[in-house]
Amino acid sequence: ETGVTQTPRHLVMGMTNKKSLKCEQHLGHNAMYWYKQSAKKPLELMFVYSLEERVENNSVPSRFSPECPNSSHLFLHLHTLQPEDSALYLCASSLEEGTSSYNEQFFGPGTRLTVL
Amino acid sequence: QKEVEQDPGPLSVPEGAIVSLNCTYSNSAFQYFMWYRQYSRKGPELLMYTYSSGNKEDGRFTAQVDKSSKYISLFIRDSQPSDSATYLCAMTEGASKIIFGSGTRLSIRP
Repeated sequence: ETGVTQTPRHLVMGMTNKKSLKCEQHLGHNAMYWYKQSAKKPLELMFVYSLEERVENNSVPSRFSPECPNSSHLFLHLHTLQPEDSALYLCASSLEEGTSSYNEQFFGPGTRLTVL
Repeated sequence: QKEVEQDPGPLSVPEGAIVSLNCTYSNSAFQYFMWYRQYSRKGPELLMYTYSSGNKEDGRFTAQVDKSSKYISLFIRDSQPSDSATYLCAMTEGASKIIFGSGTRLSIRP
């Protein structure tokens, strides 16, 4: 198990529901990320937070709303999702974001989301 | 054209075989090249990363980068059933976001 945990691991929700995904990192990192992983598609970066400030939002629909209350926790609030939003949602963290060199990202196990 | 192209497989080889996984890319500004391994029901974990061109070896794994051809490879020697996973290539300019390939599903037959 990595130092990044995600809950719940599985989630089934209707299109009218509101739910939240939670991510917690125990690595002392300053940057956290949300990715979407769909079958046979590359990981899609959704949001990036650095020191609790959102630094990137990759044209994600407003039905996905991130929240980063501190550098160890990251949430993804979901409402009125569509069936095509069904995917594996991965959280990751890295020591820093936006420096001149590569910062390894550590991933959580993901939340498997199914929208009915 | 996608920034990173990776054959999704699946690729099935017998135990002990040499496995070759590859990606091509279009952005010549990429400097850091990574291979992630993702087991079923797990998140990706970094396997190897290289900076710029050249080879890097770690046990049974060798990563190669050919920037002139915009081509990267991961070789697995003496493959084991425990190597069965999805392998994702990824690359970045450094400070910018990481671009991932779609992943190659690998199965090693005992």
